Amino acid sequence: EAGVAQSPRYKIIEKRQSVAFWCNPISGHATLYWYQQILGQGPKLLIQFQNNGVVDDSQLPKDRFSAERLKGVDSTLKIQPAKLEDSAVYLCASSLNSFASAIYEQYFGPGTRLTVT
Amino acid sequence: ELKVEQNPLFLSMQEGKNYTIYCNYSTTSDRLYWYRQDPGKSLESLFVLLSNGAVKQEGRLMASLDTKARLSTLHITAAVHDLSATYFCAVGDSNYQLIWGAGTKLIIKP
Repeated sequence: EAGVAQSPRYKIIEKRQSVAFWCNPISGHATLYWYQQILGQGPKLLIQFQNNGVVDDSQLPKDRFSAERLKGVDSTLKIQPAKLEDSAVYLCASSLNSFASAIYEQYFGPGTRLTVT
Repeated sequence: ELKVEQNPLFLSMQEGKNYTIYCNYSTTSDRLYWYRQDPGKSLESLFVLLSNGAVKQEGRLMASLDTKARLSTLHITAAVHDLSATYFCAVGDSNYQLIWGAGTKLIIKP
């Protein structure tokens, strides 16, 4: 099966500019996650969707970050305006989250490396 | 609040040696995951451990889970250079989220 797709793979912008990332999860996966990973650290959850609804966005800096998953499939994450500290890798993951499987394993996309100058 | 601690955070070892990475977590969970991350790459799932006493092996890597001690270990046998990477453990919580350890950067020297 096809994995989680993300684009772009790399993006360089100046501070105060805006940027958007796209994610297409594995087909049939109801749950989608966006993570921020700063170099040398573990992933930090930004937002979790279940189908097209937000389950948890408590760690999303809502003054500058927004995310949507309108049709319950692909998703976009936007930053506007960007700050220097937003330089990181943005990872998208998806999960089947079936009660029948009870595994809830997350599969990750290749990530988007964002550099803010 | 569920917290996950990994140690060591950095490990440099010689090829052929054995070593263990430890993952402790603070509250009850029935799901423990190990991931591998190569430099500049994404996260690759290695093992999913779902029950007390679970043991899984893939090549030179073996993971185990002791839910009573809230401890998982990732054991490396006869290390080879290709296993150099950062290894993360993550614990599943009740919201289907993963609580991540800080990662163990493993360097294996020839």
